[in-house]
Amino acid sequence: EPEVTQTPSHQVTQMGQEVILRCVPISNHLYFYWYRQILGQKVEFLVSFYNNEISEKSEIFDDQFSVERPDGSNFTLKIRSTKLEDSAMYFCASSEGGITEAFFGQGTRLTVV
Amino acid sequence: GEDVEQSLFLSVREGDSSVINCTYTDSSSTYLYWYKQEPGAGLQLLTYIFSNMDMKQDQRLTVLLNKKDKHLSLRIADTQTGDSAIYFCAENYSGAGSYQLTFGKGTKLSVIP
Repeated sequence: EPEVTQTPSHQVTQMGQEVILRCVPISNHLYFYWYRQILGQKVEFLVSFYNNEISEKSEIFDDQFSVERPDGSNFTLKIRSTKLEDSAMYFCASSEGGITEAFFGQGTRLTVV
Repeated sequence: GEDVEQSLFLSVREGDSSVINCTYTDSSSTYLYWYKQEPGAGLQLLTYIFSNMDMKQDQRLTVLLNKKDKHLSLRIADTQTGDSAIYFCAENYSGAGSYQLTFGKGTKLSVIP
């Protein structure tokens, strides 16, 4: 069964460093998303991406964040200068059209120290 | 803005039915979802319902939607210990050009053997 895969599963980084979280969406999907879940809190929407551009972003997704689809398969989330409060589980998701069925990856746990 | 509310905990005995409830605020939601998150794992799409439906059944899972009251429920028949997890209700916020899901805080289901 096709699935969304994310790497790495866990990343530890020092405050102020740049991190790139990687995702391989399901191959025929056209819409891509990043969400995050701070420990014990709600899953929060960050950004959606379609047709090589951002379709929607939340107020969390400030200038420190960027997304890219560098080739035909990967979808990345970059955090330029990490803060302690960026520590969270980051989920990538993809869907075939709009948000009919959004499939999530297993997540990358980001720990900023 | 849109919001999704769920009770935080539910405890049932193995073999009984579980009913997890959710309320939402956005009347323009087109899809409503149930996701399952096992400890340390990602979000698994369990089922979803289109907003013009009242009920959807999938094996042990029954989703009921009361659009007038903006109330969604997930019934798990013959609950097993493997059903212990956090269950998230989510709605598709269908504002113009928006493709984001809004999640509830999740209901932690504990199944007592």
